[in-house]
Amino acid sequence: QLQLQESGPGLVKPSETLSLSCSVSGGSISNTNHYWGWIRQPPGKGLQWIASIYYRGSTYYNPSLKSRVTISVDTSKNQFSLKMNSVTAADTALYYCARQTLYQLDVWGLGTLVTVSS
Amino acid sequence: EVVLTQSPATLSVSPGERATLSCRASQSVNSNLAWYQQKPGQAPRLLIYGASTRATGIPARFSGSGSGTEFTLTISSLQSEDVAVYYCQQYDNWPPYTFGQGTKLEIK
Repeated sequence: QLQLQESGPGLVKPSETLSLSCSVSGGSISNTNHYWGWIRQPPGKGLQWIASIYYRGSTYYNPSLKSRVTISVDTSKNQFSLKMNSVTAADTALYYCARQTLYQLDVWGLGTLVTVSS
Repeated sequence: EVVLTQSPATLSVSPGERATLSCRASQSVNSNLAWYQQKPGQAPRLLIYGASTRATGIPARFSGSGSGTEFTLTISSLQSEDVAVYYCQQYDNWPPYTFGQGTKLEIK
């Protein structure tokens, strides 16, 4: 059974860079049928798609975040990552990684809370 | 960017009764719409894709309908475990994928 697990610092200072990883187990990130994505959810609010990546490196970004975000994949480690620079309190959220089959997000990680605060 | 508007914001339904949730798109998304269920403290779960196709393992009491700009998620007979926030998501015009703001479903 495919499982995704997010990891990274739970606290990031304003203006610094948020770095998260998503480890994929129970399946290969190099599966040709899937993309891999990041979605976030501020406390008590709705969902926002951040970015998606294909194992060969094709990337798609939310235009509202594109200038600050980089998504990458490491097939040797079966994981993909997210970096977001110049963070502010508005970036405080639960960050989820997910598998994307066609265009829907069909397997999700449990999420990791990132708080931006000094 | 396609804006999805969900209604109502909160819905209270008695056990065994039908629940009807709506999602309206700011422009046509054809049938490229999914529904997700998010229970308290959990990650979202895919319920419906392609506007009407149930995802693997989703009970038959969940059904989706609609196309273009108007979509509906119906729970035919509400169970206590269906208490959750439900989100619609479009993938017709992307990036970005966009989500509705959610409908909170409660037991009356």
